[in-house]
Amino acid sequence: DAGVTQSPTHLIKTRGQQVTLRCSPKSGHDTVSWYQQALGQGPQFIFQYYEEEERQRGNFPDRFSGHQFPNYSSELNVNALLLGDSALYLCASSLGREPQHFGDGTRLSIL
Amino acid sequence: RKEVEQDPGPFNVPEGATVAFNCTYSNSASQSFFWYRQDCRKEPKLLMSVYSSGNEDGRFTAQLNRASQYISLLIRDSKLSDSATYLCVVKDNNNDMRFGAGTRLTVKP
Repeated sequence: DAGVTQSPTHLIKTRGQQVTLRCSPKSGHDTVSWYQQALGQGPQFIFQYYEEEERQRGNFPDRFSGHQFPNYSSELNVNALLLGDSALYLCASSLGREPQHFGDGTRLSIL
Repeated sequence: RKEVEQDPGPFNVPEGATVAFNCTYSNSASQSFFWYRQDCRKEPKLLMSVYSSGNEDGRFTAQLNRASQYISLLIRDSKLSDSATYLCVVKDNNNDMRFGAGTRLTVKP
């Protein structure tokens, strides 16, 4: 039973570039949430996808967008990257009101 | 005011000590509460859910006070392997999870 998987593990980009991060939820889960975690901080909610639609969104600019596919996997896209976007990006999946399970994360560095 | 606030820490305790973490939340409509554990450069992992009646899992005890909007985690007989950051998590009625900034615990020999 595979858990939440994310790719890539690490990524280095430069300011102004665009990035796509990917997530496959745990088997049986239908909801995917994305978080940004800066060093020394707790995860900050970006948005949540359910039934291929963005259901909830945190306080992040429109540069952050996402998508959920019919197989429940999800992508996070960030445009016009800024230095401040450097962080660990975590994907979490869940089913109904059960607790979320996290992937290992993608560590994004912006130069 | 932050939605979820935790003790800033860090907590440095000897093996065998008892340590308690506190957490307060601002949304009175919050539905579910959890403690997650995060090791350095790793993903958060669910430690335990927190129920109104309080609940215990081995050396770990979680308490919830809805009236005061307060959650606690007690760790008894600390082990070296308990060293981690403990995240207080609150889920609201929209199913959104809000994380505290975390409290760092270091257990020393």
